[in-house]
Amino acid sequence: NAGVIQTPRHKVTGKGQEATLWCEPISGHSAVFWYRQTIVQGLEFLTYFRNQAPIDDSGMPKERFSAQMPNQSHSTLKIQSTQPQDSAVYLCASRDWGSQNTLYFGAGTRLSVL
Amino acid sequence: GDSVTQTEGQVALSEEDFLTIHCNYSASGYPALFWYVQYPGEGPQFLFRASRDKEKGSSRGFEATYDKGTTSFHLRKASVQESDSAVYYCALGGTGGYKVVFGSGTRLLVSP
Repeated sequence: NAGVIQTPRHKVTGKGQEATLWCEPISGHSAVFWYRQTIVQGLEFLTYFRNQAPIDDSGMPKERFSAQMPNQSHSTLKIQSTQPQDSAVYLCASRDWGSQNTLYFGAGTRLSVL
Repeated sequence: GDSVTQTEGQVALSEEDFLTIHCNYSASGYPALFWYVQYPGEGPQFLFRASRDKEKGSSRGFEATYDKGTTSFHLRKASVQESDSAVYYCALGGTGGYKVVFGSGTRLLVSP
């Protein structure tokens, strides 16, 4: 079991560019979550998929952030027109629905917007 | 909404000291309570959980007891090691069923 895999580990973009972050959940896990981690805000929930369907995107900034899960083996988080305040570590987590909410996190993607 | 409060932002100890990190929560019903640990360059790792009043969770010498009366889930370890240096997060599994809410984290620094 390779765990949750996130790529790339580091991404540097210029202001106004697009960034796409990838997540491969643990095989067999039916739920995928995205969190954003910053020193100031800590771990913030962004969005959640269950069986590939979007369930809750209440944490997503509305205008430039979007997430998809086209198949059970990967999810993407896309940020359009990146801004310096988007700089953060973006964490993906997956869980087995019977695991009492236990999340398994990837190592994260550190996004730096210059 | 549901929330978790960790009062210590940073704790500095020496090896073999006793550790307590305080965690209090606000939620209705019986949320699951968790401790996660995060090492530099890694995502948070599940440490242990408890799901009902008076249940004790434990792993790697760390333990915490679910206390619904005081809405607390304090992390304790009798004798810390330098390798325990990390950030510790208390979290609750929302009573709505799926969302996990994290506290602000406590950085533990253990010196030899």
